[in-house]
Amino acid sequence: DAKTTQPPSMDCAEGRAANLPCNHSTISGNEYVYWYRQIHSQGPQYIIHGLKNNETNEMASLIITEDRKSSTLILPHATLRDTAVYYCIVRVDGTYKYIFGTGTRLKVLA
Amino acid sequence: NAGVMQNPRHLVRRRGQEARLRCSPMKGHSHVYWYRQLPEEGLKFMVYLQKENIIDESGMPKERFSAEFPKEGPSILRIQQVVRGDSAAYFCASSPATGGGGEKLFFGSGTQLSVL
Repeated sequence: DAKTTQPPSMDCAEGRAANLPCNHSTISGNEYVYWYRQIHSQGPQYIIHGLKNNETNEMASLIITEDRKSSTLILPHATLRDTAVYYCIVRVDGTYKYIFGTGTRLKVLA
Repeated sequence: NAGVMQNPRHLVRRRGQEARLRCSPMKGHSHVYWYRQLPEEGLKFMVYLQKENIIDESGMPKERFSAEFPKEGPSILRIQQVVRGDSAAYFCASSPATGGGGEKLFFGSGTQLSVL
């Protein structure tokens, strides 16, 4: 079973920041949070990951709360090409299983 | 540097036939994962392999499904006596050797299996 919960869908206006939340209340100290997205039926694409500190790369920013029970993926200037299903994933501690939940279907509107 | 390569891209089989899906990981990656995605659903973990070893197959159906990752060549996901319920997209991912826990998975484009 997935260790994360996400809203099923969100809309965002083009050019605006898209903030995608994720709850992972049972996360343990050694477990990283990963974000992937899937555009249409393509293979999932890596976006960003983090453990405790906030992270930023050329695609997005990841904000992790101090208690690590939730995180937010931020796409700073959403474009139509960012329309996709976004998955927040926690790798199960002590295993090599990356468990995908149902994700958030983000629709960027023109 | 080529990404994760899966073939075929599309595979059509009749009920009762065998399906073989191939996955070549990224260069330098020794870990392979297989996931299945049914229409309108998320990805379901099936199996995790290292070279010549199955590490975790807890997501694999007990019957008809098997996976291997030989010393030479691609990883193979094999489905015997396919049924219509096996119709799905099958994705392979690879990662480098695990270390501190922050390894990224890199996914292939998937194989769409259709069972008639």
